[in-house]
Amino acid sequence: GQNIDQPTEMTATEGAIVQINCTYQTSGFNGLFWYQQHAGEAPTFLSYNVLDGLEEKGRFSSFLSRSKGYSYLLLKELQMKDSASYLCVTMDSNYQLIWGAGTKLIIKP
Amino acid sequence: DGGITQSPKYLFRKEGQNVTLSCEQNLNHDAMYWYRQDPGQGLRLIYYSQIVNDFQKGDIAEGYSVSREKKESFPLTVTSAQKNPTAFYLCASSTGEVSIQYFGAGTRLSVL
Repeated sequence: GQNIDQPTEMTATEGAIVQINCTYQTSGFNGLFWYQQHAGEAPTFLSYNVLDGLEEKGRFSSFLSRSKGYSYLLLKELQMKDSASYLCVTMDSNYQLIWGAGTKLIIKP
Repeated sequence: DGGITQSPKYLFRKEGQNVTLSCEQNLNHDAMYWYRQDPGQGLRLIYYSQIVNDFQKGDIAEGYSVSREKKESFPLTVTSAQKNPTAFYLCASSTGEVSIQYFGAGTRLSVL
């Protein structure tokens, strides 16, 4: 079957670093996306990984290990506006997206 | 500004009533999608369309219908056959299969 696991909720402090993990099982693999979703709003694209390794984009980085079925999103220099849900999404061999339930990140001052 | 517009933002449905959610995009994207989001769950695909006048069922198409008469528009009808319609509905578009999906602001549907 196809499955994505990520923690339901995490708490971090403003200015700190947080790592949100995601493990997945899919029928084939055509890449992994991370989206950010503020409460009551639409998801917005953060990153896309299809090869193993780390992709850095400003304060956000995303890592992928295809052999381990594992990815993480790293957020540095946390700001209060980073309080949101972070959605791990895989693309299977039929180019269908499989969405995780999301990790709610709470930032405390 | 290019983007995706969903309307209305909030919608209430009476029992036995069909309601239609609007989705319009001016990004010149070929592909459009409808998702349903329930609390504590990942997005679930209702219908998608890769090209005008063609659409495919997603994982939870029962009780829903769509049309794609124009490239810019992909309306979703929630029929009376959908017994549990209360959810947050999201429309998205992309340039193709392996590409970023861009989302509208969503429609929150409730049952009276």
